[in-house]
Amino acid sequence: DAGVIQSPRHEVTEMGQEVTLRCKPISGHNSLFWYRQTMMRGLELLIYFNNNVPIDDSGMPEDRFSAKMPNASFSTLKIQPSEPRDSAVYFCASSRLDGNQPQHFGDGTRLSIL
Amino acid sequence: KNEVEQSPQNLTAQEGEFITINCSYSVGISALHWLQQHPGGGIVSLFMLSSGKKKHGRLIATINIQEKHSSLHITASHPRDSAVYICAATTGNQFYFGTGTSLTVIP
Repeated sequence: DAGVIQSPRHEVTEMGQEVTLRCKPISGHNSLFWYRQTMMRGLELLIYFNNNVPIDDSGMPEDRFSAKMPNASFSTLKIQPSEPRDSAVYFCASSRLDGNQPQHFGDGTRLSIL
Repeated sequence: KNEVEQSPQNLTAQEGEFITINCSYSVGISALHWLQQHPGGGIVSLFMLSSGKKKHGRLIATINIQEKHSSLHITASHPRDSAVYICAATTGNQFYFGTGTSLTVIP
């Protein structure tokens, strides 16, 4: 079975540019999570969706960050404009139910903002 | 104060040793997750538990709800167990992550 698929695997761009990260959850999973991981702050939950609806976006750091889930098989995390402090690894994960089911993680997108 | 505290932060063990990683939390949880992150960066969910004990191969996870404490045990450790182990507590809508325990198993 295909796992959670994220793209791109790596992204290097200049500050001020728009960055779009993509995630395809496991088919049949109805919860999707976006995480950010940095050396300083560790793993942080940014936002999660149930049945394509954002449930909790309190972890989204600023208005520069936005996430959408137009359908059950696709989600995007967008940063506009990007800043060097946004450099991190961004993980997407999916599960059958929020919180109380094991999450399956994608391989992550390593983002570097110059 | 962090809602989730892990110990130790770093751990080095000889192959074959029994390993314990601890996680204490201060929030009321609906579930606790143990995650494994390999040097390559990928994250794998090892366990999700809300009570008692779960076992998968050489890995055992326990949780004591009254004491707000969970442990991850690795029996007969192997170099391929070298990874960062992260404890995450969820209240259902909120997730709280420990800072991770970096485990190195030496042959």
